[in-house]
Amino acid sequence: EPEVTQTPSHQVTQMGQEVILRCVPISNHLYFYWYRQILGQKVEFLVSFYNNEISEKSEIFDDQFSVERPDGSNFTLKIRSTKLEDSAMYFCASSERTSSTDTQYFGPGTRLTVL
Amino acid sequence: QKEVEQNSGPLSVPEGAIASLNCTYSDRGSQSFFWYRQYSGKSPELIMSIYSNGDKEDGRFTAQLNKASQYVSLLIRDSQPSDSATYLCAVINSNYQLIWGAGTKLIIKP
Repeated sequence: EPEVTQTPSHQVTQMGQEVILRCVPISNHLYFYWYRQILGQKVEFLVSFYNNEISEKSEIFDDQFSVERPDGSNFTLKIRSTKLEDSAMYFCASSERTSSTDTQYFGPGTRLTVL
Repeated sequence: QKEVEQNSGPLSVPEGAIASLNCTYSDRGSQSFFWYRQYSGKSPELIMSIYSNGDKEDGRFTAQLNKASQYVSLLIRDSQPSDSATYLCAVINSNYQLIWGAGTKLIIKP
């Protein structure tokens, strides 16, 4: 069964550094998403992406963040100048989003630790 | 504020009993509703999706949607210890964002 994959599973970085989190969505899906979950808190929507551009973004997704689909398979989240409060699990998801369904399938997540 | 609300729990249910999880949402324009299960340290795993008023059954799981009351629930029959997890209600709102509840922690006692 096709699945969303994410790398790395755990990323440790120093405050102020840039990180790139990578995702490979399910191959026939056209909509891609990034979510964040701080330990013990709820899942938070960051951004959705379709047709090589951002379709929706939350207030969390400020200039520190960017997304890119550099090739036909990868979808990346770049976090510039990381802060301690960026430490969280970051989940990538993808969906087909037809007229009758919009089920999002999640990758296993990347645990980001900012020291 | 457009939100999805769940009782945080923990909800403790004896093995073999029915677990009932509830969720309310505030955006009347919401059209798609999901229940995800999340084990500690893992990603959300889709359990059920529901789009129309009424019940939808899949194995031991039944999702119930009442758009007039802005209420969606998940019933788990014959609860098993492996069902112990946090159950997340998620709603696609009128801005087409997937908004999550904080989750209900379910504990199935053997």
